[in-house]
Amino acid sequence: RKEVEQDPGPFNVPEGATVAFNCTYSNSASQSFFWYRQDCRKEPKLLMSVYSSGNEDGRFTAQLNRASQYISLLIRDSKLSDSATYLCAVNKQVNDMRFGAGTRLTVKP
Amino acid sequence: GAGVSQSPRYKVAKRGQDVALRCDPISGHVSLFWYQQALGQGPEFLTYFQNEAQLDKSGLPSDRFFAERPEGSVSTLKIQRTQQEDSAVYLCASSFSVNTEAFFGQGTRLTVV
Repeated sequence: RKEVEQDPGPFNVPEGATVAFNCTYSNSASQSFFWYRQDCRKEPKLLMSVYSSGNEDGRFTAQLNRASQYISLLIRDSKLSDSATYLCAVNKQVNDMRFGAGTRLTVKP
Repeated sequence: GAGVSQSPRYKVAKRGQDVALRCDPISGHVSLFWYQQALGQGPEFLTYFQNEAQLDKSGLPSDRFFAERPEGSVSTLKIQRTQQEDSAVYLCASSFSVNTEAFFGQGTRLTVV
């Protein structure tokens, strides 16, 4: 079993839709969690950190469920510019960050 | 510079050739990571440094892969006797301290022919 797993998608949604991604992790000792966005042929860029209490940044909401060992990302009112691959990242205690394979999102007009 | 810098951006190597990929992290960042990313896949962990100490090299796929960060700043990933399956984008990332977010360089796209 991979340490970090994501549904690869693709998710094809119309503009304005709400879409949610989940990511599960296997190591219960994991300490910190992140969502990254990666555009085609570009490097991953940090979208947001995921805090235990959940956090929101504009149209984006991240949640952490330690009991079930998953993190989620919710995107409201999708824009065409949200089309990208979304990667979740999990840090174990010794700071070796592991990534999921990514979930591909396409927002269509 | 303000961000993580990697060089070269592109490298074409003949099978069997040795290559060296350079990463210049954000100044003051303690942690440095190397990843390998194949097309359509997420970044696969290769190795991690905290300052000059290589704390985890469990992701290096074979003994042909070697990484160093001798002064706790610039890092080099060396691949000896390259094979076609080594073709990928090699990403370097750095973070300020343990368990903080990591920032990526633009990567080196390696093609082995």
